Amino acid sequence: EAGVAQSPRYKIIEKRQSVAFWCNPISGHATLYWYQQILGQGPKLLIQFQNNGVVDDSQLPKDRFSAERLKGVDSTLKIQPAKLEDSAVYLCASSAGSSGYNEQFFGPGTRLTVL
Amino acid sequence: ELKVEQNPLFLSMQEGKNYTIYCNYSTTSDRLYWYRQDPGKSLESLFVLLSNGAVKQEGRLMASLDTKARLSTLHITAAVHDLSATYFCAVGRAGSYQLTFGKGTKLSVIP
Repeated sequence: EAGVAQSPRYKIIEKRQSVAFWCNPISGHATLYWYQQILGQGPKLLIQFQNNGVVDDSQLPKDRFSAERLKGVDSTLKIQPAKLEDSAVYLCASSAGSSGYNEQFFGPGTRLTVL
Repeated sequence: ELKVEQNPLFLSMQEGKNYTIYCNYSTTSDRLYWYRQDPGKSLESLFVLLSNGAVKQEGRLMASLDTKARLSTLHITAAVHDLSATYFCAVGRAGSYQLTFGKGTKLSVIP
């Protein structure tokens, strides 16, 4: 079974530029998560999708971050414009079923550096 | 707001020794996960603990959950170098989809 795929793996941009990340979850997984992991900390949930609907985006900085999951499969996370403090690893995870109690499987992450 | 505290944050231990990592959380939870993360890699699920008194073991690692004390432990028996990694606990608040992660415990096993 293929795991969660993410691209790109690394991205370096200057502040105020825009950037987009892509995630392809495990086939058949209805729930998709985006996390931000700052160096030395645990992942922090940014947004959770159930199929193509948003379940929780309470910690997403909506003035600069946006995410979508068209057709309930792939997802993109965008930052526009980026700030220095956005430097982090962005992790995508997916889980089967509609319950928040299902185990989450994580992708390899995208390491973003904002200069 | 659910707070999750892990300690220690850094742990250097000799091969063959035993040690315990602690995960405390602040509000009622109905599920707790332990993950492993190697440098530059993503998170790998180790254990899922769903009920009070749950104990799970895999190789040299054993995890337990005490929901009354709001405490989970990850016990390492006879450590080997391959266990060197960062270990995270993640806690789900009862009735919420969200998981809150601890800051992680960076474990280094030295010969």
